[in-house]
Amino acid sequence: DGGITQSPKYLFRKEGQNVTLSCEQNLNHDAMYWYRQDPGQGLRLIYYSQIVNDFQKGDIAEGYSVSREKKESFPLTVTSAQKNPTAFYLCASAQGLSGYTFGSGTRLTVV
Amino acid sequence: GESVGLHLPTLSVQEGDNSIINCAYSNSASDYFIWYKQESGKGPQFIIDIRSNMDKRQGQRVTVLLNKTVKHLSLQIAATQPGDSAVYFCAENRGSNYKLTFGKGTLLTVNP
Repeated sequence: DGGITQSPKYLFRKEGQNVTLSCEQNLNHDAMYWYRQDPGQGLRLIYYSQIVNDFQKGDIAEGYSVSREKKESFPLTVTSAQKNPTAFYLCASAQGLSGYTFGSGTRLTVV
Repeated sequence: GESVGLHLPTLSVQEGDNSIINCAYSNSASDYFIWYKQESGKGPQFIIDIRSNMDKRQGQRVTVLLNKTVKHLSLQIAATQPGDSAVYFCAENRGSNYKLTFGKGTLLTVNP
């Protein structure tokens, strides 16, 4: 079955560490997205990529980095510059807006 | 409807009742809207979408209404079931780059 997979489901980060969240899709979608969700908040766009080897900053890109070396993969690195990283992170992919599909999310906690 | 601050709007209904969840948008250039359902700890799931050249679209037990005059979107769920309990988000496309902008969501609780 086609789908979008995020891993790990839970992730713990120590102060000053960089961590990388994985997002893989086999839907053959061109576009991929990373969102952050905080309690009681909507989804805020971190980064997005419409094509391999190209990506753009979203609304809250500071402290995050991405790469898009393969169509299927769009990993997100939460760097030590992100001062409040505890959140639920959602990856999505799309081929045109009607195909906007989300992964099951990664919950990141700073310990 | 749209929330202000950190607290989600909530809607509590009895099983079997109809539910109406509202969403206001501000950008008159928005041309495509989607409703998503998100259960606790999971990613959002697509429910139904509508383009700005329509004012109503129906799915299985769900209807979306779009009023462009007052920039208002609603999701109607018929015969609400306990499995419908979730946070419901509206999302809009403001006409560029395949990006969606999400509302803060409404928490629907269905009481048996």
